[in-house]
Amino acid sequence: DGGITQSPKYLFRKEGQNVTLSCEQNLNHDAMYWYRQDPGQGLRLIYYSQIVNDFQKGDIAEGYSVSREKKESFPLTVTSAQKNPTAFYLCASSPGLSDNEQFFGPGTRLTVL
Amino acid sequence: AQSVTQLGSHVSVSEGALVLLRCNYSSSVPPYLFWYVQYPNQGLQLLLKYTTGATLVKGINGFEAEFKKSETSFHLTKPSAHMSDAAEYFCALRGTGTASKLTFGTGTRLQVTL
Repeated sequence: DGGITQSPKYLFRKEGQNVTLSCEQNLNHDAMYWYRQDPGQGLRLIYYSQIVNDFQKGDIAEGYSVSREKKESFPLTVTSAQKNPTAFYLCASSPGLSDNEQFFGPGTRLTVL
Repeated sequence: AQSVTQLGSHVSVSEGALVLLRCNYSSSVPPYLFWYVQYPNQGLQLLLKYTTGATLVKGINGFEAEFKKSETSFHLTKPSAHMSDAAEYFCALRGTGTASKLTFGTGTRLQVTL
């Protein structure tokens, strides 16, 4: 089945540690996205990538980093510079950057202890 | 700049009653509009979308929405609520001619009671 997988589903981290969230898609989509979801704030765009080896900052990129070495993979690193990292992180993809529909993964809930 | 406003962070309806979730938008270019649904601890699923053409859009699970340019609205409705409709609903906007960056509303949590 085609889709987007995110792992792990739940992640706990100590303050000061970097952590990497995985996102893989087998939809052959060119564009991929990372969103952060906080209660009452909707989804906010962290980073997006149109093609391999290219990515752009979204609205809240500070404290995060990404890579796009393969078309199917778009990992997100939450660094120790992110002041409030506890949130639900959602990865999405679309056939192209101008396509209408984005397909979402199941999400990773990150909790900083 | 573009923005999406969802009126009411929580809406409660009885099973069988009309569901109405409100969404207003602001965009300097013609918008593409979307409604997504999210069940607890899951990703988002597209319910319906408006791009061009017919302003009344039908989606999955019996939901529909009407694009009203004069009112800058895209309200989501369903004639008869079911317990399984309990979830969080997000309205989103993308301006035509721009990269596919979606702007989301803050969401409306729908509760369905017996």
